[in-house]
Amino acid sequence: DAKTTQPNSMESNEEEPVHLPCNHSTISGTDYIHWYRQLPSQGPEYVIHGLTSNVNNRMASLAIAEDRKSSTLILHRATLRDAAVYYCILSTDSWGKLQFGAGTQVVVTP
Amino acid sequence: GAVVSQHPSWVICKSGTSVKIECRSLDFQATTMFWYRQFPKQSLMLMATSNEGSKATYEQGVEKDKFLINHASLTLSTLTVTSAHPEDSSFYICSARDRGGKGSEQYFGPGTRLTVT
Repeated sequence: DAKTTQPNSMESNEEEPVHLPCNHSTISGTDYIHWYRQLPSQGPEYVIHGLTSNVNNRMASLAIAEDRKSSTLILHRATLRDAAVYYCILSTDSWGKLQFGAGTQVVVTP
Repeated sequence: GAVVSQHPSWVICKSGTSVKIECRSLDFQATTMFWYRQFPKQSLMLMATSNEGSKATYEQGVEKDKFLINHASLTLSTLTVTSAHPEDSSFYICSARDRGGKGSEQYFGPGTRLTVT
């Protein structure tokens, strides 16, 4: 499985945007880029996913580099409830298997 | 939105006993469910893929005779930890894909915390 690299942690002030980078230089043409987040003592929650084009939903935006070797998850206005570990994962749609890496711990400061 | 439940939410058992954990998709049918394990301050580790009506596929290093998986219906998968030992104490999480959904997202259960004494 192609691997992703994320910073260990990021801090943000409440109501400010958060840009979470993810490097995936060995991504294949069929790999989707998925983002999930996990709050303490809970199961992960789907955030967003994409293949080539940038994607927006009610939770976040996903910006994908033209060469697809990196992507950025954008939380437009961080709230205290956005404090979580965010995982960037590559997966082919046909299998749906998700191999979680270490993720990025997002800390939101009031 | 799609909801996945797990039962029990936590369980304490004695060493050598077996424990069964249920994973249910409440408002959708799930052809495929996944089981993960998470130790404190670590990431999730995929244990196995469970397909309805067929044998589960285990990830490398996961003992299939110790972690029995049954996916008897489109809404229920069970994980049985047999002859549990303290090192099996962990947070067990299941996920499911919506059979009729258009997206590839998985829906995760809230997790089951297992403590083996």
